[in-house]
Amino acid sequence: KQEVTQIPAALSVPEGENLVLNCSFTDSAIYNLQWFRQDPGKGLTSLLLIQSSQREQTSGRLNASLDKSSGRSTLYIAASQPGDSATYLCAVGNGGATNKLIFGTGTLLAVQP
Amino acid sequence: GAVVSQHPSRVICKSGTSVKIECRSLDFQATTMFWYRQFPKQSLMLMATSNEGSKATYEQGVEKDKFLINHASLTLSTLTVTSAHPEDSSFYICSARKGGVNEKLFFGSGTQLSVL
Repeated sequence: KQEVTQIPAALSVPEGENLVLNCSFTDSAIYNLQWFRQDPGKGLTSLLLIQSSQREQTSGRLNASLDKSSGRSTLYIAASQPGDSATYLCAVGNGGATNKLIFGTGTLLAVQP
Repeated sequence: GAVVSQHPSRVICKSGTSVKIECRSLDFQATTMFWYRQFPKQSLMLMATSNEGSKATYEQGVEKDKFLINHASLTLSTLTVTSAHPEDSSFYICSARKGGVNEKLFFGSGTQLSVL
């Protein structure tokens, strides 16, 4: 059974810092991996999607990497801003007919102005 | 982009009543939608996969008679919580995929259900 873990569970940084969020999964046979952010009481916003054949994806100040063999992904946020404060979730797609996503435990990020 | 609309955003009901939550893909057709449940400060737990025109596939431990899912069209899936109890109080979120299985999943804004 696929298990997805995120470290740290919570992180507080001053504005302007670069930071890394970690995601690990137990079964390396994934189809793809997606990073999301969730604001309190809201739905999820898709940030980046990495296919299993890819090593990284970039969007603006965000960079996500994938090391499938070691069961790890990282989300790098450059020059953090208070508006980046949210919960960040990674989710792995297990393939199959519907490629349903299994979510990690999340990292609560607070960027202090 | 791809927009998934979920309604209502918040509902308060009495124990024993049924509540219907709608999930619509506004600008694309979704053959598959997913329903998740989230408890406070916890991650999302997949409840079921909703397939257009066929029965939903439920995850282990999710009661199909309790959580009725109907995917009547390519743009609409509904989740009905039947005979709701206080332990059903939770945040329910739907999602839909635009395109093939390797495409991104887009989420609705969620429904906070409170059962008194």
